[in-house]
Amino acid sequence: EDKVVQSPLSLVVHEGDTVTLNCSYEVTNFRSLLWYKQEKKAPTFLFMLTSSGIEKKSGRLSSILDKKELFSILNITATQTGDSAIYLCAFFSGNTGKLIFGQGTTLQVKP
Amino acid sequence: DAGVIQSPRHEVTEMGQEVTLRCKPISGHNSLFWYRQTMMRGLELLIYFNNNVPIDDSGMPEDRFSAKMPNASFSTLKIQPSEPRDSAVYFCASSLQVRDSGYTFGSGTRLTVV
Repeated sequence: EDKVVQSPLSLVVHEGDTVTLNCSYEVTNFRSLLWYKQEKKAPTFLFMLTSSGIEKKSGRLSSILDKKELFSILNITATQTGDSAIYLCAFFSGNTGKLIFGQGTTLQVKP
Repeated sequence: DAGVIQSPRHEVTEMGQEVTLRCKPISGHNSLFWYRQTMMRGLELLIYFNNNVPIDDSGMPEDRFSAKMPNASFSTLKIQPSEPRDSAVYFCASSLQVRDSGYTFGSGTRLTVV
């Protein structure tokens, strides 16, 4: 059964810290991996990764995929209180085409 | 573009009652998805439609759940009869294609069944 596991489940840091969120997956026919940020309401799209070793970057956020070891990381540097959210990892199952989400990592950034 | 519109935003109902959640996808999007989010299970895909046709409903938990998409601009998720364990946030999302990265989520309906 296809699945995705995120760690840690929750994390508390202070402003200015750097955090690394982890996502490992087991997928029979992998197509792509996505990261979303969820604040109070709907998840919003951050990155889509399809190739190993190519970093995607947006401001203080960056992400990379390792298709050999079956994981991805999301880095946030110089964290701010506005980064507090649930970060969701998801993948497109090649067999079904469905977007399957992990449990999420709840990040709290304290002033 | 108003985004994906869901209604109601909040719903509180008694056990045994019928609940209908509504979704209007983004105009031009061909695929529509219903997700449920709980603390225990995270975001689970319940069902998705492509060009108004249900493609995969394997995530629908029980026969009490049903979903329809009578046209390209409207979908409903119905629970009948509702139970307390159905309490969750229900999200609708749409995209141009099933495998498109641009899933746009609605703001969700927070359902509480007492």
